[in-house]
Formats: sequence, structure tokens, C-alpha cells
Amino acid sequence: ETVLTQSPATLSVSPGERATLSCRASQSIANNLAWYQQQPGQAPRLLIYAASTRATGIPARFSGSGSGTEFTLTISSLQSEDFAVYYCQQYNNWPPITFGQGTRLEIK
Amino acid sequence: QITLKESGPALVKPTQTLTLTCTFSGFSFSATGEGVGWIRQAPGKGLEWLALIFWDGSKRYSPSLKSRLTVTRDTSKDQVVFTMTNMGPVDTATYYCAHTFDIIVRFDSWGQGTLVTVSS
Repeated sequence: ETVLTQSPATLSVSPGERATLSCRASQSIANNLAWYQQQPGQAPRLLIYAASTRATGIPARFSGSGSGTEFTLTISSLQSEDFAVYYCQQYNNWPPITFGQGTRLEIK
Repeated sequence: QITLKESGPALVKPTQTLTLTCTFSGFSFSATGEGVGWIRQAPGKGLEWLALIFWDGSKRYSPSLKSRLTVTRDTSKDQVVFTMTNMGPVDTATYYCAHTFDIIVRFDSWGQGTLVTVSS
């Protein structure tokens, strides 16, 4: 099973600033990684797949990078609606499909 | 536009079997590549993938839960049915169904989720 480890667990950033979230895989997953955003009480929303491809309708301030075992989600200029929990998910070595434990992005 | 909606009991007793239905629109299992997955989230916890069924009827299950899970599809009703046997309190969670396309499994549309509580 491929374990995904996200860091930090909680990230405090001011609106307008940049946020950088990390996801590390326990083995190489090529670029087979997705990122999701989850607001309280809502279902997750797909942001990024194939490590760097934005999903339909996702603003350009969201970008993904990385391959192999190290991945990053960057939000270039935080808006109020971006404060949420973010999960990474791998689909390279499955089953099982696995998710990271999440990073909570909070307002500083 | 793809939409999905989960339905089923909000409360089940320990040892009972949970049956959830995902009713979807905006895609069809007659199209190559379509898939529906099930993911759950315990209160205050992260996401856990459970099962996935593809357009061709092929199925994949979480290895740790495989003995308890079954997923089937009804192409005439645009529905996917998920069952989990021998429910216990640790299975209390919000259960989501979600759409994916092809073996590149990213869940691009999600249902609203349904909270299932396991309690006597």
C-alpha cells in the first residue's frame, strides 16, 4: 500500500499570501496524484489531477507540481474561500486508492 | 453536468448490513471509461476509499475491507448499489459516491454524502 504523508498538518497563512502544501508518497507514484479541497460540511472538490493539471473550473491560483514521491500544491494568493482542508490522493499503485491525512489551511 | 446522490439508512445496528444507493445523472455506464467509487469519512477524520465499479462491470475493493464489501450497478436506472456487511461502531461515517473516468482514478464529481451511524 502506498502511504501518503501530508505536511504540515495545519498551515496558518494570511489572505493574499502564498500557501504551499506538501504530499510525500512512500513509493514512486509517477505523476498519478490528485488534490482535493474540502470545506466544512461539504464533499471534497477535485482541484488538480496528474499532479499538475487543473480540473475544470479551478482558478489559476491553484497549481500542482512534483513527480515520483514529492508533490506540492501551491495557492498563489489566498482568498477567503480557500481556507479549508486539502487532501492528496494517489491512483498509481491501487487498489487501494489512498489519501493523505489532510492539511488544514487556516487564516492567520 | 454530472450529479450524484447517495440514499440509504441514517442508522444501522451493529452486525447489520448497510445498503446505500447512488443515483447519478450526466453520464452513463454504456460509455467506455465511466466509473463510480465509494469513499467514506469518519467524523472529524480523513477520507478512506472503499470500492469502485467501472462501465464494463469490473470492480475493485479496498483490500482491508474486501470481505465485507459489494458494489453492483443497475444500468437501466443509472444507479450503483453499495453494501457493507457486519457493521460496527467504527463504520460510523459519511459515505460518498463519486464519479471517475478511466483508470486514472480522480474523483471529479461527488455526491453530497450521507451520514450513517452505527448504534444499537
